[in-house]
Amino acid sequence: EAQVTQNPRYLITVTGKKLTVTCSQNMNHEYMSWYRQDPGLGLRQIYYSMNVEVTDKGDVPEGYKVSRKEKRNFPLILESPSPNQTSLYFCASSLGGSNTDTQYFGPGTRLTVL
Amino acid sequence: AQSVTQLDSQVPVFEEAPVELRCNYSSSVSVYLFWYVQYPNQGLQLLLKYLSGSTLVKGINGFEAEFNKSQTSFHLRKPSVHISDTAEYFCAVSKAGGYQKVTFGIGTKLQVIP
Repeated sequence: EAQVTQNPRYLITVTGKKLTVTCSQNMNHEYMSWYRQDPGLGLRQIYYSMNVEVTDKGDVPEGYKVSRKEKRNFPLILESPSPNQTSLYFCASSLGGSNTDTQYFGPGTRLTVL
Repeated sequence: AQSVTQLDSQVPVFEEAPVELRCNYSSSVSVYLFWYVQYPNQGLQLLLKYLSGSTLVKGINGFEAEFNKSQTSFHLRKPSVHISDTAEYFCAVSKAGGYQKVTFGIGTKLQVIP
């Protein structure tokens, strides 16, 4: 089944404790992206990747890192999480980087930073 | 830069009644427009998209939307809703012909009342 998977689905952590949220897609998509969803703000893009080893900042990149060493994986790294990063995170992928390509979203990771 | 406004944060509607979810956009260039649906505890799923051509776009699950350039709107409609349509709906806009850079609205929660 074609899908985007994220792990973990739920995570509670404390300020400053490094964490990684994994994202994997099995559709051989070139483009991958991370979003955060906050009430009243909709989805905002954190980082995106056009292909392996090619990443760039989205609208709200502060406090996050990403890497794209393999085509299928696009982990989101929070080196020193803070409470304002408590949010619902979505990974998405599409065949290419064109905005005519449909984005497929993962199920989301709900992160709470205490 | 593009922006999108969803005028209603919540829309309650009785089952089998029609519904319209409103979306207005702002852009100085040609745009692509999208509607996504998010069912509880799931990621976003593309409902429909307008790229060019016919201004009436049909999507999945009986939804349709009409692109109105003069009113800069892209309202989503369904003639008869079902309980299973209860979800949050996001309008999104992107610069036409650009890369995968999509700006999302804040979402409209559709609550279908039995």
